[in-house]
Amino acid sequence: DTGVSQNPRHKITKRGQNVTFRCDPISEHNRLYWYRQTLGQGPEFLTYFQNEAQLEKSRLLSDRFSAERPKGSFSTLEIQRTEQGDSAMYLCASSSGATGNQPQHFGDGTRLSIL
Amino acid sequence: QQQVKQSPQSLIVQKGGISIINCAYENTAFDYFPWYQQFPGKGPALLIAIRPDVSEKKEGRFTISFNKSAKQFSLHIMDSQPGDSATYFCAARPPGGTSYGKLTFGQGTILTVHP
Repeated sequence: DTGVSQNPRHKITKRGQNVTFRCDPISEHNRLYWYRQTLGQGPEFLTYFQNEAQLEKSRLLSDRFSAERPKGSFSTLEIQRTEQGDSAMYLCASSSGATGNQPQHFGDGTRLSIL
Repeated sequence: QQQVKQSPQSLIVQKGGISIINCAYENTAFDYFPWYQQFPGKGPALLIAIRPDVSEKKEGRFTISFNKSAKQFSLHIMDSQPGDSATYFCAARPPGGTSYGKLTFGQGTILTVHP
């Protein structure tokens, strides 16, 4: 089964540290999304890539957050100077197609805990 | 601004019963309405989806009913089973040419099916 893969599954770090998460989308999916999910809430959109181009960023994505998708394959999400409020599940999703009308398939997320 | 409102927050149903979860949306530009199922420690998994040109879609025990004029849609789970116990999220998405297909999620409903 070659679904969306996210690593690490869990990350515990101290406030102020930098963290980086990785997402490997379904093969040949050109669209990749990052969402954030806090406890008891639905996922919230963070950013979107079409191939290697980052085309949209949510206002939720402060300057401490940066995402990349080199070569249009895997993507990384980095959070600098982590804060307590960054504790959440970070979800990656991918989809195919040229218009954004295809279903999005999610990975199992990276759970970030800030001490 | 909460664009998709979901209710109830939690639902308890007996095995064999019908589970009904409701969602209301505000943005009339939305044209795709999926439901996702999420188990603890897992990412959301696409369950069923509907577009506003139909009023109902059925897949196995799962049915979406859609009321475009009321801007409401609901998920019906027939013959509910303990294995259906999970958190369910409704979502909505504008046309692929705008907002790149990002999903707006409801707050989620925790479904518990008692044996």
